Amino acid sequence: GNSVTQMEGPVTLSEEAFLTINCTYTATGYPSLFWYVQYPGEGLQLLLKATKADDKGSNKGFEATYRKETTSFHLEKGSVQVSDSAVYFCALSEWLKGGSNYKLTFGKGTLLTVNP
Amino acid sequence: KAGVTQTPRYLIKTRGQQVTLSCSPISGHRSVSWYQQTPGQGLQFLFEYFSETQRNKGNFPGRFSGRQFSNSRSEMNVSTLELGDSALYLCASSPLGGVMGDTQYFGPGTRLTVL
Repeated sequence: GNSVTQMEGPVTLSEEAFLTINCTYTATGYPSLFWYVQYPGEGLQLLLKATKADDKGSNKGFEATYRKETTSFHLEKGSVQVSDSAVYFCALSEWLKGGSNYKLTFGKGTLLTVNP
Repeated sequence: KAGVTQTPRYLIKTRGQQVTLSCSPISGHRSVSWYQQTPGQGLQFLFEYFSETQRNKGNFPGRFSGRQFSNSRSEMNVSTLELGDSALYLCASSPLGGVMGDTQYFGPGTRLTVL
């Protein structure tokens, strides 16, 4: 079945440091890829997405590129802020031709803490 | 547009009881999905509804059930609660109903504690 593997945290950085959170996936068909963020006590917020190979999703300074050859969707940000402290989830959804198979498969999540 | 809303936000129940959680999707969204989030298992898919029909179901026992109404609002029910059902239950809605590139938007969740 489909699966998502993301780097285990926690990740602790100083403000203005560079961030990379690795994400790789296994899927059949044609997955779309997502990064969601969860702040303490809240639900999930969509951070960015990419729907086909070589697409780059970006939002709020975060970027991720859909790499089909390496089955990866790594999250990056050039300069993190304290307010970026949260749990980040990589996810895939897959649409199978001929029917609906719509669900998100999530990675385990990576806790990011940014210190001032 | 208002986001996905879930009620109640917090619930405390005892083993053996049953519980009903409610979700109102974003206006115009017809697909509603439910997920369970626990520290040990992470985020797991429960089921998805579209136009009042359950289209997909995750690997959960029959104690977990749901339904969707004609206005797209959805409820999920858990009967005969067990301690392991303690979790954050997240509802998500999507505008396109599962076509390629569709996006799910999540509510704040209902925190269920089973004592």
